[in-house]
Amino acid sequence: KAGVTQTPRYLIKTRGQQVTLSCSPISGHRSVSWYQQTPGQGLQFLFEYFSETQRNKGNFPGRFSGRQFSNSRSEMNVSTLELGDSALYLCASSPMERHTDTQYFGPGTRLTVL
Amino acid sequence: AQSVTQPDIHITVSEGASLELRCNYSYGATPYLFWYVQSPGQGLQLLLKYFSGDTLVQGIKGFEAEFKRSQSSFNLRKPSVHWSDAAEYFCAVGLFSGGYNKLIFGAGTRLAVHP
Repeated sequence: KAGVTQTPRYLIKTRGQQVTLSCSPISGHRSVSWYQQTPGQGLQFLFEYFSETQRNKGNFPGRFSGRQFSNSRSEMNVSTLELGDSALYLCASSPMERHTDTQYFGPGTRLTVL
Repeated sequence: AQSVTQPDIHITVSEGASLELRCNYSYGATPYLFWYVQSPGQGLQLLLKYFSGDTLVQGIKGFEAEFKRSQSSFNLRKPSVHWSDAAEYFCAVGLFSGGYNKLIFGAGTRLAVHP
């Protein structure tokens, strides 16, 4: 099976702009999670979607949002970008048929905000 | 609050030497524990996981980890390190809620391997 894919791999934006990142999960996986990775804060959970519904959300401002489509693909959106939003954004997918199911991570999207 | 501590930010070992990466967690119930590895420019790859049962868990690439409840630890070990093991290693605890395992990560340990 193909792994988790994320597009684009690299993005450069300026402050105040908005950005949309895309994640295609492993075929058959219904849960998609998003994490932000920065040198200062490390890996932090953003949110999780399952069957097009957001089930869990981390402690991030409302500028961060997401959605999931019927084919389980997910997008996350960041509006009014700030310099501190520069990070590697990682997507993970899981079958979530059992609570012990593993989360498989994609290569990430590197976002730079100037 | 749930947390994961990796006391060593950076470790350097010689190729062929043994390795132990430390991980301590704070969690009220029986934790789900994971070790992931991240190579430069890459995502996270699962090395191993612990949910229950045998406290010594075998993973990929020759890694193993031991769950010690009394010490709230889940240390990662490898008997002989290869140069290709140079990467960043993350310990995580899974908080199961609402049908989902949210991962809380430690700060990571960056491993350098000398030839």
